[in-house]
Amino acid sequence: GENVEQHPSTLSVQEGDSAVIKCTYSDSASNYFPWYKQELGKRPQLIIDIRSNVGEKKDQRIAVTLNKTAKHFSLHITETQPEDSAVYFCAASFLAGGTSYGKLTFGQGTILTVHP
Amino acid sequence: DGGITQSPKYLFRKEGQNVTLSCEQNLNHDAMYWYRQDPGQGLRLIYYSQIVNDFQKGDIAEGYSVSREKKESFPLTVTSAQKNPTAFYLCASRKPGTGNTIYFGEGSWLTVV
Repeated sequence: GENVEQHPSTLSVQEGDSAVIKCTYSDSASNYFPWYKQELGKRPQLIIDIRSNVGEKKDQRIAVTLNKTAKHFSLHITETQPEDSAVYFCAASFLAGGTSYGKLTFGQGTILTVHP
Repeated sequence: DGGITQSPKYLFRKEGQNVTLSCEQNLNHDAMYWYRQDPGQGLRLIYYSQIVNDFQKGDIAEGYSVSREKKESFPLTVTSAQKNPTAFYLCASRKPGTGNTIYFGEGSWLTVV
């Protein structure tokens, strides 16, 4: 089955700096890679996702890049703010149209702390 | 997200007891999932279901059971066979076809006392 490794496990930055979180996956068939943000005691919330036919996707201060050959993808947060502090999870899935179960395999998470 | 309701929010279980966590969604999603999250850990898949009366074991199904008698409902039973059930349990669902984004319920905290 799929295995997703995520690094670093903790990340501390100053407000305004950039933050980068990296993930690698093992199953070359995976073609969907979402990122979730989870605040303490709350549910994970989708913040951005990317499909394997795209190399990069951006949404305001958040961007995700994908390297299919190397089987890794990264989350980039620019101009970090204290409210960006949370746990971030990457995930991978194989989607095959309507018949796909779409189950996600998650990385271990990164605790991001943004200091004012 | 607001269309996935989990209950109870907090549950205490005595050793040897079975408990059932409820998950209801009104999003008309076909696929539903149960994940377990331990403190400081990622999410691990327990069971998933694509359609009514169909479900599949995930990575850590031992000691758990599910049913899918209605499209809207996917309850999870934590049996006494689950030796370490204390965790945060998250139910999720996915819209068919298109974006395939998985949305999560608010979760249920289960503690063994």
